[in-house]
Amino acid sequence: DTAVSQTPKYLVTQMGNDKSIKCEQNLGHDTMYWYKQDSKKFLKIMFSYNNKELIINETVPNRFSPKSPDKAHLNLHINSLELGDSAVYFCASSADRAAGNTIYFGEGSWLTVV
Amino acid sequence: DQQVKQNSPSLSVQEGRISILNCDYTNSMFDYFLWYKKYPAEGPTFLISISSIKDKNEDGRFTVFLNKSAKHLSLHIVPSQPGDSAVYFCAASLYGGSQGNLIFGKGTKLSVKP
Repeated sequence: DTAVSQTPKYLVTQMGNDKSIKCEQNLGHDTMYWYKQDSKKFLKIMFSYNNKELIINETVPNRFSPKSPDKAHLNLHINSLELGDSAVYFCASSADRAAGNTIYFGEGSWLTVV
Repeated sequence: DQQVKQNSPSLSVQEGRISILNCDYTNSMFDYFLWYKKYPAEGPTFLISISSIKDKNEDGRFTVFLNKSAKHLSLHIVPSQPGDSAVYFCAASLYGGSQGNLIFGKGTKLSVKP
């Protein structure tokens, strides 16, 4: 039973489309994240939510909008997709916001914009 | 600017020998360091961590060493096994800042040959 699950795993879409990636964690964690791994292999945080409240919003275009309907879910919606959005997007969760807490990652969603 | 650097993109080691993966950081405010392991098409998984108040932490075959004066940490795997072949990410966490926000290095791909 996957602790952090995200769907879809692979997504190929055209420029200008709007798409969503869903994420759910069954660990009972309070904090969830979206990370992005770009073509240069850098893994960087995009957003962090704690108990459905936005905590971290790094420098991400406002075409990216996270939504947390409850603390077990954090979905990522992307409007007007661009070629540069092609990347692997990892959802993750941790028990709380304490520094150094183990973060559990999902398997990743491979987004290709053509 | 890379705050966490893994200067070796790849490392090849013979089975049974020691693997040493290195990581350097620039921000002296980092207070917690972690190593994550990642297999292809999977999300990163937590391996071992160390607080900045310690200089060594050991867990089975894995030992992490921290040299704060040099802003350097390393992961030792002894003995190395073929199943250890993966990409290893060094990550650091900021105290009092964006708690839970891990800053990752680019990763080192370890290949353990039978």
